[in-house]
Amino acid sequence: GDSVTQMEGPVTLSEEAFLTINCTYTATGYPSLFWYVQYPGEGLQLLLKATKADDKGSNKGFEATYRKETTSFHLEKGSVQVSDSAVYFCALSYYTGTASKLTFGTGTRLQVTL
Amino acid sequence: DGGITQSPKYLFRKEGQNVTLSCEQNLNHDAMYWYRQDPGQGLRLIYYSQIVNDFQKGDIAEGYSVSREKKESFPLTVTSAQKNPTAFYLCASSPDREDGGYTFGSGTRLTVV
Repeated sequence: GDSVTQMEGPVTLSEEAFLTINCTYTATGYPSLFWYVQYPGEGLQLLLKATKADDKGSNKGFEATYRKETTSFHLEKGSVQVSDSAVYFCALSYYTGTASKLTFGTGTRLQVTL
Repeated sequence: DGGITQSPKYLFRKEGQNVTLSCEQNLNHDAMYWYRQDPGQGLRLIYYSQIVNDFQKGDIAEGYSVSREKKESFPLTVTSAQKNPTAFYLCASSPDREDGGYTFGSGTRLTVV
């Protein structure tokens, strides 16, 4: 079946460091790919998405490119801030004709220190 | 503002009791979902509904039940048959279109005491 694999955390960085969180997927077709972020005690928020190969999603300084050849969707940010500390989830979805079903990775916790 | 409201935020249940978690959305989304989140395991799908009066089991439906009598509402009942119900429960909705990402509620933390 479909699956998403993320690098294990926690990832600990100093403020203004470069961030990469790796995400690879296994899928039989061509899913849409997403990054969600979860702050402590809250639900998930959509961070960015890409719906086809070579698309780049971006939001709030975060970027990820849909790489079909490597089945990857790595999350990057050039300069992290303390406020970026959260858990990040990579996910894929297929549209079934009536609904999109999301499959999530296990999440990667990011801790940014001063 | 449109969004999803989950209540209560914290819920305590005694062993052998059924409890119902509320989820309401005013986004006019067709599809709604319930996920369970446990530490280190990501999110697992319990049930989902694509349309009123219809719903399907997800990956871990045993011990749970749902209803979808109105488009806006998708309550989840955690029954006494659920052996390990302590978890964080998240409700979500999505529009009926191909690139629709999910909108999540803020979650309900259920603890068995």
